[in-house]
Amino acid sequence: DAKTTQPPSMDCAEGRAANLPCNHSTISGNEYVYWYRQIHSQGPQYIIHGLKNNETNEMASLIITEDRKSSTLILPHATLRDTAVYYCIALTGNQFYFGTGTSLTVIP
Amino acid sequence: DTAVSQTPKYLVTQMGNDKSIKCEQNLGHDTMYWYKQDSKKFLKIMFSYNNKELIINETVPNRFSPKSPDKAHLNLHINSLELGDSAVYFCASSQVGRTPGNEQFFGPGTRLTVL
Repeated sequence: DAKTTQPPSMDCAEGRAANLPCNHSTISGNEYVYWYRQIHSQGPQYIIHGLKNNETNEMASLIITEDRKSSTLILPHATLRDTAVYYCIALTGNQFYFGTGTSLTVIP
Repeated sequence: DTAVSQTPKYLVTQMGNDKSIKCEQNLGHDTMYWYKQDSKKFLKIMFSYNNKELIINETVPNRFSPKSPDKAHLNLHINSLELGDSAVYFCASSQVGRTPGNEQFFGPGTRLTVL
């Protein structure tokens, strides 16, 4: 599985968009990019995933660069409940290998 | 209804004891997993079971023995507990092949403390 790198922490003002970057420069053509988050003391929660095209669901948007070497998770209107650790995972097959993620703090 | 449930939520025990953690999923998934999250919050896969058969064992000591009586259950038995086993253990499930890569659903976790 491709290694992903993320900034260790970020802050975002409540109500503003949170943009979380992820580098996956060694990703292969069949590896999907998945995003999960873990709110304190809870199990990880699926957010979104994509292969080549940008994706949007009720939680977030995923922007993948054309060369697929990086992606950005966008939370359009961050709330205090979005404070969590966000994990970017490049997945082949069924095994998730979580990195250290980005700790996002939404500030009132 | 809880999709993936684990019992107990907290487990405190002495070194050397044997303990079990239970996991059940009501999603009809065919694959279940155990993850360990240590004190540094690093989340690492331990086991993966597909249709009651072990398909992944990630360099876990053989003191850890998963048991899958049916597709909906994956229990984790730990023998001769050590201090380093203290962690939060998460169970997860997915339906392999439904979508490429598939989405995993995680349980609430079991916090194990070995004294």
